Amino acid sequence: SQQGEEDPQALSIQEGENATMNCSYKTSINNLQWYRQNSGRGLVHLILIRSNEREKHSGRLRVTLDTSKKSSSLLITASRAADTASYFCATVTGFQKLVFGTGTRLLVSP
Amino acid sequence: NAGVTQTPKFQVLKTGQSMTLQCAQDMNHEYMSWYRQDPGMGLRLIHYSVGAGITDQGEVPNGYNVSRSTTEDFPLRLLSAAPSQTSVYFCASSSSGGTETQYFGPGTRLLVL
Repeated sequence: SQQGEEDPQALSIQEGENATMNCSYKTSINNLQWYRQNSGRGLVHLILIRSNEREKHSGRLRVTLDTSKKSSSLLITASRAADTASYFCATVTGFQKLVFGTGTRLLVSP
Repeated sequence: NAGVTQTPKFQVLKTGQSMTLQCAQDMNHEYMSWYRQDPGMGLRLIHYSVGAGITDQGEVPNGYNVSRSTTEDFPLRLLSAAPSQTSVYFCASSSSGGTETQYFGPGTRLLVL
């Protein structure tokens, strides 16, 4: 069963624009992680936010977490064509287990 | 460091055949895991290991076996392949368990006819 669901399923923007992806989950979490997957490749870890944190930044990435709404968002500022990829949230609810959402496909056009 | 490596990159099997997907890491990570990725389903955890000699089931373990004889290697075995096992398989490792940052291999694409 999927814990996290990303929204939208697909997003198409122009270079320079900001991209926002949302993740909703069902049960209480330990932490929430965002990963990027380029086509045909493995996943790359982007950022981890713990349940007692509300916001984290990493370069052009900003992640927020609202545990009362059971939701998180990933903002990519000043998008580049190289940001084209699928983005997944993953939640940690139990011991040693990550549960992934279904992903958002981002297309950034030059 | 090579990180997490997986072999083969692509494999075609007939129903009922067996095979082993290899996974190795050179980061001295205690935690390793296997996921499968199907269209529209995200990644689902098959099996995981918290150290040599210790394995446990994930969300979708049926049809798969694992063992962990060394820290470096974590092979995934399909004893009798079924078309439902057609998928992309990813191995991952972590120094701090399943709750922390995972490092993924490039994946093995498996087609079962």
